[in-house]
Amino acid sequence: AQSVTQLDSHVSVSEGTPVLLRCNYSSSYSPSLFWYVQHPNKGLQLLLKYTSAATLVKGINGFEAEFKKSETSFHLTKPSAHMSDAAEYFCVVSPSYSSASKIIFGSGTRLSIRP
Amino acid sequence: NAGVTQTPKFQVLKTGQSMTLQCAQDMNHEYMSWYRQDPGMGLRLIHYSVGAGITDQGEVPNGYNVSRSTTEDFPLRLLSAAPSQTSVYFCATLQGPDYGYTFGSGTRLTVV
Repeated sequence: AQSVTQLDSHVSVSEGTPVLLRCNYSSSYSPSLFWYVQHPNKGLQLLLKYTSAATLVKGINGFEAEFKKSETSFHLTKPSAHMSDAAEYFCVVSPSYSSASKIIFGSGTRLSIRP
Repeated sequence: NAGVTQTPKFQVLKTGQSMTLQCAQDMNHEYMSWYRQDPGMGLRLIHYSVGAGITDQGEVPNGYNVSRSTTEDFPLRLLSAAPSQTSVYFCATLQGPDYGYTFGSGTRLTVV
């Protein structure tokens, strides 16, 4: 069985300070892991993905995530928050393409940015 | 290149009415899926298709039907709408395991 847990439902940071959104996963297989961002009243957009290549993955808009197998974590970070980063973020685990129906979304973390 | 197009963007239904949510893609992706998004619950898979003529149930299929007659289209039908189906519905396609999903912009459905 596999699962994904986003440890914070809401994170608030000041503009210009670092962002950390935490995600832990459980998977019986070597998973692919993704982060998506959803701005208000919009669809989900892929931020970055890990597919068993480099453990540090760089995405769009200055975000990056590190795959840590020993900790079963895939936390999303950004060195300096911008007001435009305010959105909902989803961590996603996917076991393999043959089981695309088993893709699981986390419950989401709402990121707020204080001026 | 439009990607994934969903229509309508907003809809209000009365309990018991039926309707079809449309999803069309122009990327030639074989895999398509429907999700519903509810506050605090992330996205839950309703139905999915791995190609024309092939569909299967996801996590929450009750009250919904799908068909896939072409690669491009994957409509979602609500047979008899219920207030519990008030949600935001997303259609998504998948090119392959290394690419992630491409999502439509969503349909916000309210059942009164």
